[in-house]
Amino acid sequence: GAVVSQHPSWVICKSGTSVKIECRSLDFQATTMFWYRQFPKQSLMLMATSNEGSKATYEQGVEKDKFLINHASLTLSTLTVTSAHPEDSSFYICSATGPLDYEQYFGPGTRLTVT
Amino acid sequence: GQNIDQPTEMTATEGAIVQINCTYQTSGFNGLFWYQQHAGEAPTFLSYNVLDGLEEKGRFSSFLSRSKGYSYLLLKELQMKDSASYLCAVRDGDYKLSFGAGTTVTVRA
Repeated sequence: GAVVSQHPSWVICKSGTSVKIECRSLDFQATTMFWYRQFPKQSLMLMATSNEGSKATYEQGVEKDKFLINHASLTLSTLTVTSAHPEDSSFYICSATGPLDYEQYFGPGTRLTVT
Repeated sequence: GQNIDQPTEMTATEGAIVQINCTYQTSGFNGLFWYQQHAGEAPTFLSYNVLDGLEEKGRFSSFLSRSKGYSYLLLKELQMKDSASYLCAVRDGDYKLSFGAGTTVTVRA
């Protein structure tokens, strides 16, 4: 149980285009989802916290107009990278709070490459 | 904010024991987590400590001392598949996780 999926697993896009990444909790309802970014050989950096039905809370330094987050249901959150640039190339990982208070389950990640 | 420190790299031989230390300074504490991450994959949950003491789970154990802002992850009977990055993460009062930079463990035959 407590499986989180992400789609796509990898994507290559041209500079200036937008990319949408989906995060789904498959067998539980996730009231809170988190979006992280990880650059090579670095740790995960929290980008934003997403609660179902409300606006996402962004961490300092993360542009909310560039990284659009929608959490329309208890099982789906989306991250849209708008007007992507090569410096946005990274590994994007979502997680969801599971049935137990302390659990946070991670999706398999999406590798974005902007050319 | 959180300041989390852990060693960058560790190397050990198969069958041995390795201890990964993590120290943290936090503005709020609501649990400490250890995750394992293989290259190109998402982290997988290993352990959770919120009270002082040792939590044992098979070959992996995790210890926490809240007064010292200190935790360690103990890996016993190392196997080649244990070669990975191990992330220490602290959850704050808002239930957000802050991660250390990770410790790359290399297991040699």
